[in-house]
Amino acid sequence: EIVLTQSPGTLSLSPGERATLSCRASQSVSSSYLAWYQQKPGQAPRLLIYGASSRATGIPDRFSGSGSGTDFTLTISRLEPEDFAVYYCQQYGSSPENFGGGTKVEIK
Amino acid sequence: EVQLVESGGGLVQPGGSLRLSCAASGFTFSSYWMSWVRQAPGKGLEWVANIKQDGSEKYYVDSVKGRFTISRDNAKNSLYLQMNSLRAEDTAVYYCARGLRLWRVPYYWGQGTLVTVSS
Repeated sequence: EIVLTQSPGTLSLSPGERATLSCRASQSVSSSYLAWYQQKPGQAPRLLIYGASSRATGIPDRFSGSGSGTDFTLTISRLEPEDFAVYYCQQYGSSPENFGGGTKVEIK
Repeated sequence: EVQLVESGGGLVQPGGSLRLSCAASGFTFSSYWMSWVRQAPGKGLEWVANIKQDGSEKYYVDSVKGRFTISRDNAKNSLYLQMNSLRAEDTAVYYCARGLRLWRVPYYWGQGTLVTVSS
């Protein structure tokens, strides 16, 4: 079973700043089957990134994903007001397809 | 427009059963992996189970193996989750989700249905 550890737990930033979120896997994620989601209160999650670095349809290019093996990063180049939310990583290369514990990006 | 509408949630006593349904529309249901993901109140996301396009492969998180069964009816464009021997720790919003092209990764999500296990 692959365990995903996200850091930091909370990120306090101002609009316009750059956000860097980390997701570390306990073992290598096959074929970079790593996804990132955004979730706002009371809403279902939204897929942002799949395959570690491919943006889902309609996702702004300020969101980018990188990494391979056990270390992955989600970068938001310039935070917009609507980007303050909780972000989760998930590996879908092997069962169980675990999620990380989440990173909350809050307004400083 | 892709739509996923969950139903069947509610209050159930420990040890009881519920069957969740997910009605899909706006896409060719039989072409996609489908998943169930849950979220306990105030907690993070937990992957529960998924099922291949033709139902030939099913996978579960360890905590529900032997208690939950995922199934689908491609003729009815519907996904199901039969939940037996429910426990308090199964209390959560249950989301139905569709995969992305050939991959299992949950792409489109429903709005969820709340399951509360309590006496």
